[in-house]
Amino acid sequence: DQQVKQNSPSLSVQEGRISILNCDYTNSMFDYFLWYKKYPAEGPTFLISISSIKDKNEDGRFTVFLNKSAKHLSLHIVPSQPGDSAVYFCAAREIQGAQKLVFGQGTRLTINP
Amino acid sequence: DTGVSQNPRHKITKRGQNVTFRCDPISEHNRLYWYRQTLGQGPEFLTYFQNEAQLEKSRLLSDRFSAERPKGSFSTLEIQRTEQGDSAMYLCASSRTSGASNEQFFGPGTRLTVL
Repeated sequence: DQQVKQNSPSLSVQEGRISILNCDYTNSMFDYFLWYKKYPAEGPTFLISISSIKDKNEDGRFTVFLNKSAKHLSLHIVPSQPGDSAVYFCAAREIQGAQKLVFGQGTRLTINP
Repeated sequence: DTGVSQNPRHKITKRGQNVTFRCDPISEHNRLYWYRQTLGQGPEFLTYFQNEAQLEKSRLLSDRFSAERPKGSFSTLEIQRTEQGDSAMYLCASSRTSGASNEQFFGPGTRLTVL
């Protein structure tokens, strides 16, 4: 059972435009949602997070939106830059116990010049 | 800031051999996690340490897998009698106990190939 889903395996966006990456979850026992960025041969790098009691968090070019009723979150990158090309993972942190992260399958973002 | 380090970065082994990976977390982090990532998937949780205590293990962690964190600092993950299905990227992450989102910082991973 996939508790966190990223239904778009890939996304291609023109440089300077907005990139929107989506993520859905099925479990309500999460207290934080996080986005990680991953380059080949490197570990995931933390980008931005949002508490389950918020609906928006912004950090520079990155904004994360959370719609709890729809169990949906999205990451907006604007303006998109070539260096943003990477695989993006959505992750949800469990409230209990280890507070482990449950990851989606990832979306490969390609920014075209 | 040395970040999370993992060694080796790559390991190729023959089926049936034992392998051991090491993770050095960020020094002030008392939480340490192991994840496994296969091609086309996100990382999946394997096990968790708070200081030297192993507090949670995934059902993915068969009895061929064992992890330790003897002094609450570095951790090792050992796989005995490796199988081809063990081929994956093994990621280590660390975090503080306190703090808002307690974001986990990941190491570069160890890529295991079992022939």
